[in-house]
Amino acid sequence: RKEVEQDPGPFNVPEGATVAFNCTYSNSASQSFFWYRQDCRKEPKLLMSVYSSGNEDGRFTAQLNRASQYISLLIRDSKLSDSATYLCVVSNYGGSQGNLIFGKGTKLSVKP
Amino acid sequence: EAQVTQNPRYLITVTGKKLTVTCSQNMNHEYMSWYRQDPGLGLRQIYYSMNVEVTDKGDVPEGYKVSRKEKRNFPLILESPSPNQTSLYFCASSLSSRGRSSYNSPLHFGNGTRLTVT
Repeated sequence: RKEVEQDPGPFNVPEGATVAFNCTYSNSASQSFFWYRQDCRKEPKLLMSVYSSGNEDGRFTAQLNRASQYISLLIRDSKLSDSATYLCVVSNYGGSQGNLIFGKGTKLSVKP
Repeated sequence: EAQVTQNPRYLITVTGKKLTVTCSQNMNHEYMSWYRQDPGLGLRQIYYSMNVEVTDKGDVPEGYKVSRKEKRNFPLILESPSPNQTSLYFCASSLSSRGRSSYNSPLHFGNGTRLTVT
């Protein structure tokens, strides 16, 4: 099983739709989780951290399920500008400290 | 402005000609890291550094060297580049990688360096 797995997509959705991505991780000792957004040929940028209790930032909601070892990202009322690749990132506590594991990303395309 | 600066943005070189990609951050971050991104493979970590004079291998260190003589700089060195090192490279930094609270420190990425080795 790969350390961090994401459905590569693409997810093609109309404007205004709600879309959800999941990301599974294999190391049960993982402690920190993030969603990054990457536009084509640009650097990744932090979208949001994922907290144990779940967290929301405007149209974006992130959740963590430790029992099943996955995190999710929900985007409500999709905008054209949400089109990007969404990267799941997991940080392990102990062992190889500082070694962040990136998923390969899920591509989202929001259409008019 | 807080930022991570990589240079150059684009580089075309020939096999075997040593090159250095510079990375500098002005946020007093302890942690710095280099990644390469290839189609279908995602971001893979090359080397990382948890502080000055402390570096460690990531997932794909072969063919690369790094140094961390100062806190702000973390250059990536290709002593003898080969075509399989053609890739998009990103430098990144974060506040710290030590202590429980630091594990929520997000990464700040540079703009990337697109390297082509012929």
